[in-house]
Amino acid sequence: SQQGEEDPQALSIQEGENATMNCSYKTSINNLQWYRQNSGRGLVHLILIRSNEREKHSGRLRVTLDTSKKSSSLLITASRAADTASYFCATDQIQGAQKLVFGQGTRLTINP
Amino acid sequence: SQTIHQWPATLVQPVGSPLSLECTVEGTSNPNLYWYRQAAGRGLQLLFYSVGIGQISSEVPQNLSASRPQDRQFILSSKKLLLSDSGFYLCAWIPGQGARHYGYTFGSGTRLTVV
Repeated sequence: SQQGEEDPQALSIQEGENATMNCSYKTSINNLQWYRQNSGRGLVHLILIRSNEREKHSGRLRVTLDTSKKSSSLLITASRAADTASYFCATDQIQGAQKLVFGQGTRLTINP
Repeated sequence: SQTIHQWPATLVQPVGSPLSLECTVEGTSNPNLYWYRQAAGRGLQLLFYSVGIGQISSEVPQNLSASRPQDRQFILSSKKLLLSDSGFYLCAWIPGQGARHYGYTFGSGTRLTVV
C-alpha cells in the first residue's frame, strides 16, 4: 500500500526559482527519505531525515519533517534545468520489517 | 565501493512466456535486497524483499516470485507473464543485519513490456 502522498503531482517553474514539494504519510516512521528519478532511470537517494529530526540540509536541498502532522517538505533552492525530474518521498515505518513505502511522486519541470 | 547491477535493461516478452530478471550487488555482504515495480507515471510498489539467502517476503500476491540463491543475487521470475506484468522493475539494496537509516541504492531498472 502507498504510505506517502505527494503534492503537487506536477510542478513547473522558471530556472532560478525555488521548488517546494510536500509529502504526507499515515503511520509512525523511523525515517523519511527523498529520491530523484530522471526519466526512464533508476532512483537516486537525495536525503534522509530521521523521525527525531526536524530539518536537514544538503547543498541546495532542505528537508523538513513534522511528525505531529505526519508531513515533510523538500525545498530545492535556485533551481537549474538539470533538476528536472520526478521526486519521491518514501517512509521507513516503525511497524514491521525494514522496507520503504513510496509516494506517487512529484514531476518537477524547470524551464530555462 | 558498492555497486548494483541489474539486467536486462529492456525486455519485450509475449504473454504466457517465462521471465527471469537478475540483480547482483558487489562490495558488501548480507545486504537487504528489494524488488520494486513502477507503472508508467506512478510511484514504486514493493514486490519482494529479502534479508538473507533463501529468505523471501512477498508484499503483493501476484504472478511473480523471487529467489535469493546467493548472498548478493536476487532473481525475479514468472512462469507465465500477463499483460499486467508490464512495467519498470527496480532492484535495490541497503546494508543488512538490522542497520537502519540508510538510503537505498537502486539499480538502473528493467523495462518489461508484455505483448
